[in-house]
Amino acid sequence: QKEVEQNSGPLSVPEGAIASLNCTYSDRGSQSFFWYRQYSGKSPELIMFIYSNGDKEDGRFTAQLNKASQYVSLLIRDSQPSDSATYLCASLSGGSYIPTFGRGTSLIVHP
Amino acid sequence: KAGVTQTPRYLIKTRGQQVTLSCSPISGHRSVSWYQQTPGQGLQFLFEYFSETQRNKGNFPGRFSGRQFSNSRSEMNVSTLELGDSALYLCASSLGQGALANYGYTFGSGTRLTVV
Repeated sequence: QKEVEQNSGPLSVPEGAIASLNCTYSDRGSQSFFWYRQYSGKSPELIMFIYSNGDKEDGRFTAQLNKASQYVSLLIRDSQPSDSATYLCASLSGGSYIPTFGRGTSLIVHP
Repeated sequence: KAGVTQTPRYLIKTRGQQVTLSCSPISGHRSVSWYQQTPGQGLQFLFEYFSETQRNKGNFPGRFSGRQFSNSRSEMNVSTLELGDSALYLCASSLGQGALANYGYTFGSGTRLTVV
């Protein structure tokens, strides 16, 4: 059973701080990883994709992947209230087309 | 460029009825995947269609079915509705099969189904 685990939160951070969201996965065959942002009442929106060990940066977002430890993280620098949302982590195993989603971490950025 | 269009946005149905939801993917995208999202279970995969063929299926009962047309539009049907079917149903579009083809899904706005 492939599983992706996330702390449901909420994770509360002050505006301007770094928000760190973590995700662990059980399937060692997982090769690709996604982070989606979902605002309340809206559908998920892809914000990051990573498949190589290390860091990948896109604007204020940095995804970090450590395959040996089986975790993926998302850092949001200079957090803004508009970043308040649920962040979903998903993994995709080699040879599979269907990702496994975590249940998401709720992030609250307060002014 | 139009996004993924799901209709209707909201539905209220009675137990025992059936329902059909529609999804039009991004133009040129050939893969449509369906997900059920509930607060308790998160995103659960229903099925995936690519080139009018169901390529993958999740662990849902046979009451849940779907199809894809030659223009890549997809429908899903739920028969004999149960209270537990109340959820947000999301359609995800991708260029090729599955989530990797364009480095992730593009989701539609979803259909909120309430079964009473």
